[in-house]
Amino acid sequence: EVQLVQSGAEVKKPGESLMISCKASGYSFTTYWIGWVRQMPGKGLEWMGIIYPGDSGTRYSPSFQGQVTFSADKSTNTAFLQWNSLKASDTAMYYCARHMAPRPTAGFDYWGQGTLVTVSS
Amino acid sequence: EIVLTQSPGTLSLSPGERATLSCRASQSVSSSYLAWYQQKPGQAPRLLIYGASSRAIGIPDRFSGSGSGTDFTLTISRLEPEDFAVYYCQQYVSSPRTFGQGTRLEIK
Repeated sequence: EVQLVQSGAEVKKPGESLMISCKASGYSFTTYWIGWVRQMPGKGLEWMGIIYPGDSGTRYSPSFQGQVTFSADKSTNTAFLQWNSLKASDTAMYYCARHMAPRPTAGFDYWGQGTLVTVSS
Repeated sequence: EIVLTQSPGTLSLSPGERATLSCRASQSVSSSYLAWYQQKPGQAPRLLIYGASSRAIGIPDRFSGSGSGTDFTLTISRLEPEDFAVYYCQQYVSSPRTFGQGTRLEIK
């Protein structure tokens, strides 16, 4: 059974760093792209970008390029989303999701449960 | 960037009725690389339709997708109580992949 299990909710102060995780199981982690999706409170879905765990190749949305960093650890089948300096506007639910096919152009068929990030002074 | 515009913003219908949701793209979505997702409060989105018209695994056949180019439609033939949710379309043909702003389907 394919599962994506995300790390727990975080409360941080502006300027702090953060890394959240997405642990995959039930399939070949290095074969499928994993994406990150932001949902701000009461708002819609925003595509942040994708990472290919096989070679850690990444594609970022221009809106998030330079603001976040994707990484992946093949030894633990875990993808990561990292911020170096959080802002209050980063407060949101963040989802990881798996591409439904082993190619960069695909929809997301499995989703993590989401990680709520709250940034407040 | 391909902008997806969903309409209506909110759709009020009763169980048993037919729902028709629209997703219009600012540029052609080639190869029909378009998906539909359902999101209920407090839950992650769920894939309903991919390739514009193919149902994902486990999705009831009352859900159907159609369209090509710039105009796509999600149809729910007979609404069940559990279908009231927010629906998003997404194109995955070009970067950045983009989502529509969503259609809220509410009980009338």
